[in-house]
Amino acid sequence: GAGVSQSPSNKVTEKGKDVELRCDPISGHTALYWYRQRLGQGLEFLIYFQGNSAPDKSGLPSDRFSAERTGESVSTLTIQRTQQEDSAVYLCASSLDRPERETQYFGPGTRLLVL
Amino acid sequence: AQSVAQPEDQVNVAEGNPLTVKCTYSVSGNPYLFWYVQYPNRGLQFLLKYITGDNLVKGSYGFEAEFNKSQTSFHLKKPSALVSDSALYFCAVRGGYQKVTFGIGTKLQVIP
Repeated sequence: GAGVSQSPSNKVTEKGKDVELRCDPISGHTALYWYRQRLGQGLEFLIYFQGNSAPDKSGLPSDRFSAERTGESVSTLTIQRTQQEDSAVYLCASSLDRPERETQYFGPGTRLLVL
Repeated sequence: AQSVAQPEDQVNVAEGNPLTVKCTYSVSGNPYLFWYVQYPNRGLQFLLKYITGDNLVKGSYGFEAEFNKSQTSFHLKKPSALVSDSALYFCAVRGGYQKVTFGIGTKLQVIP
């Protein structure tokens, strides 16, 4: 079956430009996470969407970062006025939002390079 | 607040030897515990999880993990390491309906 997809797979942008990253979760998955992974580093939590509840935005590093999700489908992560330190792989994951059935399925990521 | 600690940035083990990647956690209530693996230039994959029941959980690729409630640990183990096991391993925890929290990852290097 279809897994989590992300687009674009790679994005090169100039400092100061805005970028929009897209995540298509697995159908029926009510939970969706965004993470950032810098080169050789661990996962940095950004934002968590849980069904119709207000998203947990506690991981967003600055007000330049925002994310939206339409119902239980597509999510977009927007970075405004990009900086070089935003360069990283941005990972999206979705899961069924029941702890006993929890398994996160990760997308392949979007590799962002800010010049 | 829940948290996960992976105390080792890197673990080196000789091929054929047993391996252990350590993980400890802190959570309110009963924990749901997970291991994920990230092979070089590939996406993150689920490896195994503990929900309830037997403390020894078996997962993919011959890996297993032991839930120890008194020590709040969930160490990942394999009896005989393969070079192909070299990867970045992440431990994660979820307490009830809180969001999942990941550790910072441990790089496993299996030496031929």
